[in-house]
Amino acid sequence: EAQVTQNPRYLITVTGKKLTVTCSQNMNHEYMSWYRQDPGLGLRQIYYSMNVEVTDKGDVPEGYKVSRKEKRNFPLILESPSPNQTSLYFCASSRSRGYGYTFGSGTRLTVV
Amino acid sequence: SQQGEEDPQALSIQEGENATMNCSYKTSINNLQWYRQNSGRGLVHLILIRSNEREKHSGRLRVTLDTSKKSSSLLITASRAADTASYFCATEPTGNQFYFGTGTSLTVIP
Repeated sequence: EAQVTQNPRYLITVTGKKLTVTCSQNMNHEYMSWYRQDPGLGLRQIYYSMNVEVTDKGDVPEGYKVSRKEKRNFPLILESPSPNQTSLYFCASSRSRGYGYTFGSGTRLTVV
Repeated sequence: SQQGEEDPQALSIQEGENATMNCSYKTSINNLQWYRQNSGRGLVHLILIRSNEREKHSGRLRVTLDTSKKSSSLLITASRAADTASYFCATEPTGNQFYFGTGTSLTVIP
């Protein structure tokens, strides 16, 4: 089944403790992206990747890192999480620009 | 900055009625897409309309695009309770980013 898999689905962590949210797609998509969704703010793009080893900042990249060493994986790294990063995170992939996105199921992160 | 803004923010209709939601955006785009999100879950791609298209249909969905007004509308005909969800427009401008609006929350009352 074609899908984007995110893990974990739920995560509660403490301020400053590094964490990684994994994202993997099995559709050989070139374009991958991370979004956060907050009430009243919609979805905001954190980082995106056009292909392997090609990443760029979205609208809200501060406090996040990404890497794209393989085409299928696009992990999101929070080196020192803070409470304002409490949010619902989505990974998404697309064949390329000009095509629809496939979304993962989301990761609900709480930073206390 | 967000490209798309949906209107209305919330919409409540009876089952069987049509639902119309609108999206306005700010800059030139390559395409505009509509997505559905059931509460707290991932978004599902519904339909994509390219900048050189004016109207597109998919099942009970009809999307229009007016690039001169920088606006789009999504019409869901003969709505069902299962259509209850949030609907987002997303725009792909000429750069590499992709922008979502804040969404329209649709409630279909059985």
